[in-house]
Amino acid sequence: GAGVSQTPSNKVTEKGKYVELRCDPISGHTALYWYRQSLGQGPEFLIYFQGTGAADDSGLPNDRFFAVRPEGSVSTLKIQRTERGDSAVYLCASSLASGAINEQFFGPGTRLTVL
Amino acid sequence: DAKTTQPNSMESNEEEPVHLPCNHSTISGTDYIHWYRQLPSQGPEYVIHGLTSNVNNRMASLAIAEDRKSSTLILHRATLRDAAVYYCILRHLSGSARQLTFGSGTQLTVLP
Repeated sequence: GAGVSQTPSNKVTEKGKYVELRCDPISGHTALYWYRQSLGQGPEFLIYFQGTGAADDSGLPNDRFFAVRPEGSVSTLKIQRTERGDSAVYLCASSLASGAINEQFFGPGTRLTVL
Repeated sequence: DAKTTQPNSMESNEEEPVHLPCNHSTISGTDYIHWYRQLPSQGPEYVIHGLTSNVNNRMASLAIAEDRKSSTLILHRATLRDAAVYYCILRHLSGSARQLTFGSGTQLTVLP
């Protein structure tokens, strides 16, 4: 079956612009996660959804970052007033449930470059 | 949260076994040990997980020390495709945090 997909695969924007990154999870997966990965480092957690609600947004760096999942499936990560430091690969993952034994399936990521 | 310690890098020859170590001396009794790997330019992928007993699956084996303070991911016959960053991650059974907490991982290089 289809895995987690993310669009676009690459996004180049200018400092100060607004961007939206989309994640299509595996069908039927109730849990959805966003991570950010800078060059040479492991992914860092941003936000986690259980269904439509954000169950944990403690990883969002500041209020320029926001994410939604209105119908409990597709999620959009929104970044306002982008800064050069936002440049990274943004990864989305989904899992059947959110427990400790549930495998997370990752998408290929969106590479965001802020000029 | 309990942390893990892994070597920054390791090398292996193709078609030989690889043992990737992970130390987690502050692990709690309800922490699961998970391994993920990240191939170049891809998102991480699940490899294996365990709690107390050794585990085997089609990708690898996980050997867990009797005191659970360390574990070893075993690739029985490394291929060039196994070159990746390998992450050892603890996940608490009942904690409120559901996300994966990645460290720096071990960069595995497989030599032909």
